[in-house]
Amino acid sequence: GQSLEQPSEVTAVEGAIVQINCTYQTSGFYGLSWYQQHDGGAPTFLSYNALDGLEETGRFSSFLSRSDSYGYLLLQELQMKDSASYFCAFNSGGYQKVTFGIGTKLQVIP
Amino acid sequence: SQTIHQWPATLVQPVGSPLSLECTVEGTSNPNLYWYRQAAGRGLQLLFYSVGIGQISSEVPQNLSASRPQDRQFILSSKKLLLSDSGFYLCAWSVFGTANQPQHFGDGTRLSIL
Repeated sequence: GQSLEQPSEVTAVEGAIVQINCTYQTSGFYGLSWYQQHDGGAPTFLSYNALDGLEETGRFSSFLSRSDSYGYLLLQELQMKDSASYFCAFNSGGYQKVTFGIGTKLQVIP
Repeated sequence: SQTIHQWPATLVQPVGSPLSLECTVEGTSNPNLYWYRQAAGRGLQLLFYSVGIGQISSEVPQNLSASRPQDRQFILSSKKLLLSDSGFYLCAWSVFGTANQPQHFGDGTRLSIL
C-alpha cells in the first residue's frame, strides 16, 4: 500500500533547531514534498526532493534518502510564526497523484 | 501570476441536501486539479484529481463526485450529504507535465453538516 508516517506533535524552543521525520511506503515514487499549514489556513509549499540529499531554502532544509524511504524537514532559528502543521507528501502512480501524511503539529515556545 | 479561487468560504448544510463547491484557476493553462478533504486536526485526504477536461480520477468511493467542465474549473458535488461529509475542503492546482511541481491551494471551504 501507500503510506507516510510522521510524528503527530513536536515542541521546540524559539531560536532552536527542529527536525521532523517522514518515512514512506509506495511504489513508483517520484519525490517527497513538504507543506506548511497554519491553523485555519491552506497548506503552502515549502520544498521538494526528487534525489537523495539535502535541499536548503533559507531557514528550512529538506533531506531525502530514497534507499531508506525516509526524509526530514529541518527548521533552523525557530520563530514563533513557525508554529504550524507540517506535512510530507509524495508523488506516485502517474505522478499526478499526491498523497499527504497526517501532519506534524509544531509548537514553538518562548 | 496564477491565482486559485474557491468558494464559498463556509457552508452549513442539512443532512440529505445537495452540494456544489466550485474552484477556478487563473493565469495558467491545462493545470492538474485536485480536491482534498481535511477533518479537524487531521491530514489531507485526496478525493479527486484531474489532468484534463472531463478526466476525473476518484480516490475515495463515496457519495461525492467531481467534474471538470472547463480547463480551469473544478466542481465537487454531492446529491445527498451525510454527516461524515463535514470537513475542510481544499482545491489545489499544479503545473501539468512534471512531478516536481508544487501544489497551490485555494483558501478552502469549511463545510458543516447538521
